[in-house]
Amino acid sequence: DAKTTQPPSMDCAEGRAANLPCNHSTISGNEYVYWYRQIHSQGPQYIIHGLKNNETNEMASLIITEDRKSSTLILPHATLRDTAVYYCIVRASFTDSNYQLIWGAGTKLIIKP
Amino acid sequence: NAGVTQTPKFRILKIGQSMTLQCTQDMNHNYMYWYRQDPGMGLKLIYYSVGAGITDKGEVPNGYNVSRSTTEDFPLRLELAAPSQTSVYFCASRSPGQSQPQHFGDGTRLSIL
Repeated sequence: DAKTTQPPSMDCAEGRAANLPCNHSTISGNEYVYWYRQIHSQGPQYIIHGLKNNETNEMASLIITEDRKSSTLILPHATLRDTAVYYCIVRASFTDSNYQLIWGAGTKLIIKP
Repeated sequence: NAGVTQTPKFRILKIGQSMTLQCTQDMNHNYMYWYRQDPGMGLKLIYYSVGAGITDKGEVPNGYNVSRSTTEDFPLRLELAAPSQTSVYFCASRSPGQSQPQHFGDGTRLSIL
């Protein structure tokens, strides 16, 4: 099972882009990278996921390196409401019926005014 | 949109008591999951289900039981509550498909005293 490594905490100024790194050097070729966030002990909120190509949605962009050993989540214009713990997760298995997410401790992102 | 609904939101139990944590989803998702989250940690999978009548163990199933009689409901049962089961419990669901994300409820905060 692939594991991920994230910095325990990061700061970002409001209005600036927040770039959250994640290392997943043991990722397999068929494993997706997912990003979730958790705001103040609420239920985790799905942000974005990807396999090989960069992805963008209304919340964020996901940049995956060519060798797939690391990725970066980008929040383009961070607001105070983006303060949360961000989890980078690599799926434990690509088999649909055994879909599991292995959660680490995440990165606590603090957006400062 | 209701999404994934968990009840109760908070509960205090005495050691040895039993209770059922309720989870229901209105998205017609086949896959449902129960996680627990201890302070400062990521989520750990307790049980999951790929459809009505089908359940399987996750990473930390001891002390818990589940059932899945309908697509909508996936209750989690604690038979003999122990202090080690003090945690926040999250239920999640998703639709089939290799990369479909999981959607989470707001959690049940359970204390065993």
